[in-house]
Amino acid sequence: EAGVTQFPSHSVIEKGQTVTLRCDPISGHDNLYWYRRVMGKEIKFLLHFVKESKQDESGMPNNRFLAERTGGTYSTLKVQPAELEDSGVYFCASSYGQGRDGYTFGSGTRLTVV
Amino acid sequence: QKEVEQNSGPLSVPEGAIASLNCTYSDRGSQSFFWYRQYSGKSPELIMFIYSNGDKEDGRFTAQLNKASQYVSLLIRDSQPSDSATYLCAVNIYNFNKFYFGSGTKLNVKP
Repeated sequence: EAGVTQFPSHSVIEKGQTVTLRCDPISGHDNLYWYRRVMGKEIKFLLHFVKESKQDESGMPNNRFLAERTGGTYSTLKVQPAELEDSGVYFCASSYGQGRDGYTFGSGTRLTVV
Repeated sequence: QKEVEQNSGPLSVPEGAIASLNCTYSDRGSQSFFWYRQYSGKSPELIMFIYSNGDKEDGRFTAQLNKASQYVSLLIRDSQPSDSATYLCAVNIYNFNKFYFGSGTKLNVKP
């Protein structure tokens, strides 16, 4: 089965611009998660979808971040406008049921804001 | 205080030795504990998870959980150079859909 796929793998944008990250979960996985790792820090939770519904967005840093999962398939994470501190690696993960047995991560999108 | 603490390393062991990776957590509500391996530039890959006190073995890997002392460890027997990676400890606290990660321990296995 195909894994979790993220696009793009790298993105370099200027401060103030908009960037949209995409995640395609494993087919049939209702649960989709976004995490990020900023430089020198641990990986941190951003939010969790069940199908198209946001179950928990407690980790979203501010209203410059908008996540969507239309139709309950792929998800996008938009940052608008991007700030320097948004630089880091954004990971997407998915699971069939709850994350009790862990989940499968994508390889991440490395975002650099200059 | 961070929810999950790990020594960043690097931890260097010779090939064939046992590598011992440790992790402590702060919240006694933590319910499940995970070890992920991450090669540079790659996705975190689940190695093992453990829920109950004691040991859980899977091939060369053994996870150990001590809830009273709030630590979880990962032992890698017969370490191979291919085991060289960053090992991430993660816990769920009350919510199976939200992980708290440690910053990872870098392991170097020298041939």
